Amino acid sequence: DTEVTQTPKHLVMGMTNKKSLKCEQHMGHRAMYWYKQKAKKPPELMFVYSYEKLSINESVPSRFSPECPNSSLLNLHLHALQPEDSALYLCASSQDRGTGANVLTFGAGSRLTVL
Amino acid sequence: GQNIDQPTEMTATEGAIVQINCTYQTSGFNGLFWYQQHAGEAPTFLSYNVLDGLEEKGRFSSFLSRSKGYSYLLLKELQMKDSASYLCAVKDSNYQLIWGAGTKLIIKP
Repeated sequence: DTEVTQTPKHLVMGMTNKKSLKCEQHMGHRAMYWYKQKAKKPPELMFVYSYEKLSINESVPSRFSPECPNSSLLNLHLHALQPEDSALYLCASSQDRGTGANVLTFGAGSRLTVL
Repeated sequence: GQNIDQPTEMTATEGAIVQINCTYQTSGFNGLFWYQQHAGEAPTFLSYNVLDGLEEKGRFSSFLSRSKGYSYLLLKELQMKDSASYLCAVKDSNYQLIWGAGTKLIIKP
């Protein structure tokens, strides 16, 4: 299995809703990432988990809350989002962080619209 | 600051060759990546360069010059399906990926 699976593919939510994005990989990768991508912009790093511990939080607002229940799963909990949070949310994984290529394998993304 | 520059958009003809350039200024260097991203889809890995020189993979090749802070992606025998954005990314001294804004490649028949 060489895939990163993200659900849901599309999500529409109001500003008062609570929802979650889910990501799963079975490649034995020990680093998992959440990126946010706006149209015609590069991916913007939000969080990195390494060996199931949060290692990077790029000053993301607290309305985004990551969770890594185990080495294969990564969640992003969403609460009280703003319309400007509408974007494509990409999950990625890599063998590790640090030296070596550690190529990122991306999921297909979750397209989020906040009304 | 850290900076990666690549052209915003390029146009090429089906069957031709195109070269997409990327220049970078980063705090440290631990490799350079090229990713392809079709509209509305996730980026997919194309190539990785950590030493100077050319890496060839089928119709795609990537070149790196660390002394010049420069890379290019060469696409040969262009096909319509190659229409996509091409993202250059550099891993810095903290092993963080710094992304360029991407080059939108338009292929015309």
